[in-house]
Amino acid sequence: SQQGEEDPQALSIQEGENATMNCSYKTSINNLQWYRQNSGRGLVHLILIRSNEREKHSGRLRVTLDTSKKSSSLLITASRAADTASYFCAPFYSSASKIIFGSGTRLSIRP
Amino acid sequence: DTGVSQNPRHKITKRGQNVTFRCDPISEHNRLYWYRQTLGQGPEFLTYFQNEAQLEKSRLLSDRFSAERPKGSFSTLEIQRTEQGDSAMYLCASSVQGAGGPDTQYFGPGTRLTVL
Repeated sequence: SQQGEEDPQALSIQEGENATMNCSYKTSINNLQWYRQNSGRGLVHLILIRSNEREKHSGRLRVTLDTSKKSSSLLITASRAADTASYFCAPFYSSASKIIFGSGTRLSIRP
Repeated sequence: DTGVSQNPRHKITKRGQNVTFRCDPISEHNRLYWYRQTLGQGPEFLTYFQNEAQLEKSRLLSDRFSAERPKGSFSTLEIQRTEQGDSAMYLCASSVQGAGGPDTQYFGPGTRLTVL
C-alpha cells in the first residue's frame, strides 16, 4: 500500500500540553508531508520533509523522519484549541504522483 | 494568490440527477487532483491532471464519473445518475510538478454533495 498510516487514530489532550502523532509507511520515499484538516474544511499543508532530512521545524511544529524505520512523527508543542483537527501524513514515493491518504489522527484539545 | 476555489460549496440533489462541480486551481499550478471524502475517513484519490491531460483515474471512479480540464486551467467533475452513495465531500487540489518530484498540494474548501 502506498498510504501512510497514522497512529494513534484519536488523541485528546489538555490545552498547553504537547501532542505527538506518528506515521508509518512501506517503501522508500521522496518526501513526506503532513496536512491538517479542520472539521468540514479542506486540507491545509503543514510541513514537508525530504528523505535526506531528519528533522524540521515550523513554528510550534516539529517533524522527524527516520527512513530506516520508515516512520515520521509530528509534534505540536503548547497545544491550543485551534489545533483541534485531523492530521494526515502523506508519503511521496519516487514513482508516485498522488497522495494516498490514511484515516488520519483526530486530535482534540480540551480547554 | 487567491488559492484553490471550488463551486458550489454545497449541492443537494435527488437521486438520478446529474451534478457538475468546478475547481479553479492556483494559476501557475500544472497539476490538479480530485478526491472524495466521507465522514471520518481520509480523502480518497479519484483522478489527476497534468495540464489538460488526465494521467490517472482511480478504480473508484465509475463510468458515471467524468472529469475534464479542457485548457489546463479549471477542471470540472461530473457525476451522472447520482446515487445516495455518492454523498460525500469532493475536494480539489493543485500543485506544481517540478524536477524534484511531487510537491505540496494546495486544497480547496471542497464541495459537499448530498444525494436524497
